[in-house]
Amino acid sequence: AQSVTQPDIHITVSEGASLELRCNYSYGATPYLFWYVQSPGQGLQLLLKYFSGDTLVQGIKGFEAEFKRSQSSFNLRKPSVHWSDAAEYFCAVGASVNFNKFYFGSGTKLNVKP
Amino acid sequence: GAGVSQSPSNKVTEKGKDVELRCDPISGHTALYWYRQSLGQGLEFLIYFQGNSAPDKSGLPSDRFSAERTGGSVSTLTIQRTQQEDSAVYLCASSIERYSYEQYFGPGTRLTVT
Repeated sequence: AQSVTQPDIHITVSEGASLELRCNYSYGATPYLFWYVQSPGQGLQLLLKYFSGDTLVQGIKGFEAEFKRSQSSFNLRKPSVHWSDAAEYFCAVGASVNFNKFYFGSGTKLNVKP
Repeated sequence: GAGVSQSPSNKVTEKGKDVELRCDPISGHTALYWYRQSLGQGLEFLIYFQGNSAPDKSGLPSDRFSAERTGGSVSTLTIQRTQQEDSAVYLCASSIERYSYEQYFGPGTRLTVT
């Protein structure tokens, strides 16, 4: 069965420090992978997506993610975190055959210390 | 342009009552999704509408849940005889076409069943 695991429920980093949020997926075929961010009181916003090609994808707000098939991972990174990045981040996998099915991780809450 | 809107933003209801949650997708978006986000959980897929095709209801947790989409636009999620375990944030998303993975999310409706 398809699933997405985000092992870190909460992460706290200092402003200006680097960030890596982990995501592991379980999916039999080639996955379509996504990262979303949810700020308080806001809907989810797409940060970036991976469909094929270059395994390092760039997204909005200075985020990037790397697809590693051998590790079934799609970790999100940012070299220097800003206070406005404090939010909840969700990793998701889309089924390549059923475009209607998406599986989301349970999310990682990011706190940013001044 | 306007994003996905949902109403009400908050709903408190007594156990056993019926509730209706509304979603207005982005104009022209043919695909519409409903998700449930329970505390500490990821998004749980509920139902998917695509154009005039029969909806994918495979995620609905019980027959107390139903949804319709009128005129290919506005959608209503109905929960009958609400239970306390129905308490969650219900999120709606739309996308421009069937083969687009870029979902645009609404801010959600927080449902509390007392």
